[in-house]
Amino acid sequence: QKEVEQDPGPLSVPEGAIVSLNCTYSNSAFQYFMWYRQYSRKGPELLMYTYSSGNKEDGRFTAQVDKSSKYISLFIRDSQPSDSATYLCAMTSGDMRFGAGTRLTVKP
Amino acid sequence: NAGVTQTPKFQVLKTGQSMTLQCAQDMNHNSMYWYRQDPGMGLRLIYYSASEGTTDKGEVPNGYNVSRLNKREFSLRLESAAPSQTSVYFCASRDRGPTDTQYFGPGTRLTVL
Repeated sequence: QKEVEQDPGPLSVPEGAIVSLNCTYSNSAFQYFMWYRQYSRKGPELLMYTYSSGNKEDGRFTAQVDKSSKYISLFIRDSQPSDSATYLCAMTSGDMRFGAGTRLTVKP
Repeated sequence: NAGVTQTPKFQVLKTGQSMTLQCAQDMNHNSMYWYRQDPGMGLRLIYYSASEGTTDKGEVPNGYNVSRLNKREFSLRLESAAPSQTSVYFCASRDRGPTDTQYFGPGTRLTVL
């Protein structure tokens, strides 16, 4: 079993939809949780960062962490075609572990 | 600031050939990393360097060697390339500040025939 599980999709939504992306994990030691966005043929770039449980909002993006369920989510409101990318969850307690990434397409 | 740079962007090798992937960062980070990214597998750590002069194995080190040349540069070498090493390779450096963020380069697409 992988330490971090993420549905690879692909996920296709119409412009303006609310998108929900999720990861589960098995290592209860993880304390820092991140979402990276990766455009086609580019390197991943940090999108959101959360420490421990709770919510964090940044514009149209909201990251949620539920440590009791070992479950993290990224919500994208009013999705735009420019949000089309692969989203990778990542978490660390020292050593970083990445999910496989979910490919998202937002159609105009 | 250029951030993290990688060369080359693309490379095609024949089985058994060797090559070195170069990585440099200008953010004065101590830690640097080499990952490979394969479909459905996500990013897997090959080697990392916590500081200048030190290197350690990651999840998938077999078939690779690394050199931390100085604080800025971290190279990855394939001594005898195999088709299983066909992948996209990313270098990253790590900010040990409050966000503990890794910053990635643009990647090298390697095909081994």
